[in-house]
Amino acid sequence: EIVLTQSPGTLSLSPGEGATLSCRASQSVSSSYLAWYQQRPGQAPRLLIYGTYSRATGIPDRFSGSGSGTDFTLTIGRLEPEDFAVYYCQQSGSSPLTFGGGTKVEIK
Amino acid sequence: QLQLQESGPGLVKPSETLSLTCTVSGGSISSSSYYWGWIRQPPGKGLEWIGSIYFSGGTYYNPSLKSRVTISVDTSKNQFFLMLRSVTAADTAVYYCARQGEGLTWGQGTLVTVSS
Repeated sequence: EIVLTQSPGTLSLSPGEGATLSCRASQSVSSSYLAWYQQRPGQAPRLLIYGTYSRATGIPDRFSGSGSGTDFTLTIGRLEPEDFAVYYCQQSGSSPLTFGGGTKVEIK
Repeated sequence: QLQLQESGPGLVKPSETLSLTCTVSGGSISSSSYYWGWIRQPPGKGLEWIGSIYFSGGTYYNPSLKSRVTISVDTSKNQFFLMLRSVTAADTAVYYCARQGEGLTWGQGTLVTVSS
């Protein structure tokens, strides 16, 4: 099983600041099979990024993904109030599908 | 626009079977491009993949749950189903269904509580 470790656990930032979220895999993950999700309180997760780099439909361009092998990053360019949420990475290149433990982006 | 909707009992007794239905609209469950899956999230915790099914009936499951899980599909109704047997309080969670392709597209989720 591929274990995904996200860091930091919590990121305290102000609106307008940038955010960098990390996802590290215990084994190499094909870049085609790494995705990122945003989950706001009381809501289902929402797909942000798939295939490491590709934004899902309707996702603003302040969200970008990068990485390869075992190290992946989600970058949020300038935080808007609606961006304060929990973010998960997920891999689907190897069964079982697995998720990271999440990074909470909170208002400082 | 694709929509997925979970339905089923919100309360299940310990040792009984949890049964949920996912109804897909705005797209065909018979598409060859996708798997259809179930994921759960215990209150205040992270996400756990349960298993997935292809329209032809092929399945794969999380080894941690495999002995208790069955996922099935009814293409005529554009639905797929989850059965989780011998539930305990640890199975209390929000259960999501999702389309699995280029990332996961999620239903809104349904809370299932295991309690007597």
